[in-house]
Amino acid sequence: GNSVTQMEGPVTLSEEAFLTINCTYTATGYPSLFWYVQYPGEGLQLLLKATKADDKGSNKGFEATYRKETTSFHLEKGSVQVSDSAVYFCALSYGNKLVFGAGTILRVKS
Amino acid sequence: ETGVTQTPRHLVMGMTNKKSLKCEQHLGHNAMYWYKQSAKKPLELMFVYNFKEQTENNSVPSRFSPECPNSSHLFLHLHTLQPEDSALYLCASSQGPPASTDTQYFGPGTRLTVL
Repeated sequence: GNSVTQMEGPVTLSEEAFLTINCTYTATGYPSLFWYVQYPGEGLQLLLKATKADDKGSNKGFEATYRKETTSFHLEKGSVQVSDSAVYFCALSYGNKLVFGAGTILRVKS
Repeated sequence: ETGVTQTPRHLVMGMTNKKSLKCEQHLGHNAMYWYKQSAKKPLELMFVYNFKEQTENNSVPSRFSPECPNSSHLFLHLHTLQPEDSALYLCASSQGPPASTDTQYFGPGTRLTVL
């Protein structure tokens, strides 16, 4: 079946630290991959996406590369800010369905 | 602001009440979705509508009844709910028809508490 596994949190970092949140997936066929972010009290916002192997999605300093050989889509940012504190969800899309990972809480301290 | 609004933002109801959640999208999309987000569980897809027609019911109990009168509005009618139905209910829309490359845009959600 199709599934997404994310690293468990919470991840706690100091401001300006490097961020990696691991995401691996299991899928039949060729899904699209997404990262969504959820700030406290809000819904999910699309952060970035990639629709085929070796594509790199990027937005607001965040990046993730679609790695078919390792079935991964790890999220990275070179220098996090306090305002990046949120829950991050990795997801894959096949047909009309989005399958989400459990979410990773990120806390950034000043 | 994603262009998808949901009302109410918070709802408390008893198990014998009937209530409705409303979702409206201002993006000109053709597909709409309901999701359930419970504590410590991944988001669960509940229903998918494409051009007002339901195309997916993810084994949702009949106490949840969706309605899509047009491509801009989606409702979730609730009756005889259980305390375990307490969750954040998220609406989303996409250009459609739903496909793997189609990006879904989410509303802020309705926080439902069933007493």
